Amino acid sequence: AQSVTQLGSHVSVSEGALVLLRCNYSSSVPPYLFWYVQYPNQGLQLLLKYTTGATLVKGINGFEAEFKKSETSFHLTKPSAHMSDAAEYFCAVSERQAGTALIFGKGTTLSVSS
Amino acid sequence: GAVVSQHPSRVICKSGTSVKIECRSLDFQATTMFWYRQFPKQSLMLMATSNEGSKATYEQGVEKDKFLINHASLTLSTLTVTSAHPEDSSFYICSARDFASGGLNTGELFFGEGSRLTVL
Repeated sequence: AQSVTQLGSHVSVSEGALVLLRCNYSSSVPPYLFWYVQYPNQGLQLLLKYTTGATLVKGINGFEAEFKKSETSFHLTKPSAHMSDAAEYFCAVSERQAGTALIFGKGTTLSVSS
Repeated sequence: GAVVSQHPSRVICKSGTSVKIECRSLDFQATTMFWYRQFPKQSLMLMATSNEGSKATYEQGVEKDKFLINHASLTLSTLTVTSAHPEDSSFYICSARDFASGGLNTGELFFGEGSRLTVL
């Protein structure tokens, strides 16, 4: 069965600092990988996804993530944090088989201080 | 981009009553919709997979008689919480995949805005 582990339930950075949110997955075959952001009392917004091809994926709002098969990781980064980046971030995985759901990690709360 | 709409966004009900939450794909057809539940400060837990025209597939531990899911058309799935109790209070989120993508998982999964249920 697939699973996702997000290391660190809470990450705090200063405005302008590097953001690094960690995600490791467990899957018998390389899955599809996603990062979503959630603001309070709202649904989820897709930041980026990896399916095939280039392992460095660029998303919205300056975020990017790199798929590393050898490390079974898909860490999310942003060079310079903004106050508006403060939110809950979820890493998710799905099988390549059509019709299967996303399995989410427990989430990481990102706080940005001025 | 594709939009998934949930209604109501917030609902408060008395214990013992039933509540229906609607999930609509506004500009695309969704053969498969997924229902998630999210407790405060926690992740999204998959409740069930809803396929148009067939019975929903529930995850282990989810009571199918309490959480009734109907997917009667390619644009609408409903979740009915029957005989609701305070422990059913939660944030319920639906998601859908564009049928045009053939249901392939490379297609983006679009999420509704969520419905916050409070059972008194």
